[in-house]
Amino acid sequence: GENVEQHPSTLSVQEGDSAVIKCTYSDSASNYFPWYKQELGKRPQLIIDIRSNVGEKKDQRIAVTLNKTAKHFSLHITETQPEDSAVYFCAASENAGNMLTFGGGTRLMVKP
Amino acid sequence: EADIYQTPRYLVIGTGKKITLECSQTMGHDKMYWYQQDPGMELHLIHYSYGVNSTEKGDLSSESTVSRIRTEHFPLTLESARPSHTSQYLCASSEYTGWETQYFGPGTRLLVL
Repeated sequence: GENVEQHPSTLSVQEGDSAVIKCTYSDSASNYFPWYKQELGKRPQLIIDIRSNVGEKKDQRIAVTLNKTAKHFSLHITETQPEDSAVYFCAASENAGNMLTFGGGTRLMVKP
Repeated sequence: EADIYQTPRYLVIGTGKKITLECSQTMGHDKMYWYQQDPGMELHLIHYSYGVNSTEKGDLSSESTVSRIRTEHFPLTLESARPSHTSQYLCASSEYTGWETQYFGPGTRLLVL
């Protein structure tokens, strides 16, 4: 089955700096890669996703890149703000009915 | 508004009690899931369902059971709660076909004394 590794487990940055979280996956058939943000005491919420036919996707201050050859994908947050502080989870799956496999999570702390 | 609802949000109960955690969704989704998560930690899939009368065990062994009699409802039951069951339980749903975007409920925080 699929295995997703996520690094780092904790990340502390100064407000305004960039943050990068990396994930690797094992199943070359995976072609859907969502990222979830979970604020303290709240539910995980989808913030961005990417499909295997795309190498990069941006949404304002967040972007995700995918390298299918190397089987890794990354979340980039620019101009970080205190409200970006949360736990971020990456995930991977094949489409059409397969399960999402989640990474172990990254706790991001943005210091004002 | 289409959403996923979980009740209760918080539950404190004694060892040996039977409990049922409720999950309902108005998203019209076929697939539903239960995850166990210690706060801010990894998500562990414990049960999932493809639709009515379909239930499967997830990656993490669990003493809980689930049922899926109605599309919108996916309750989780613990026959005899133990302190080791103390955790947060998150319900999620997604469409059956296409990309696996999962939408999560607000969670139930369970404390077993």
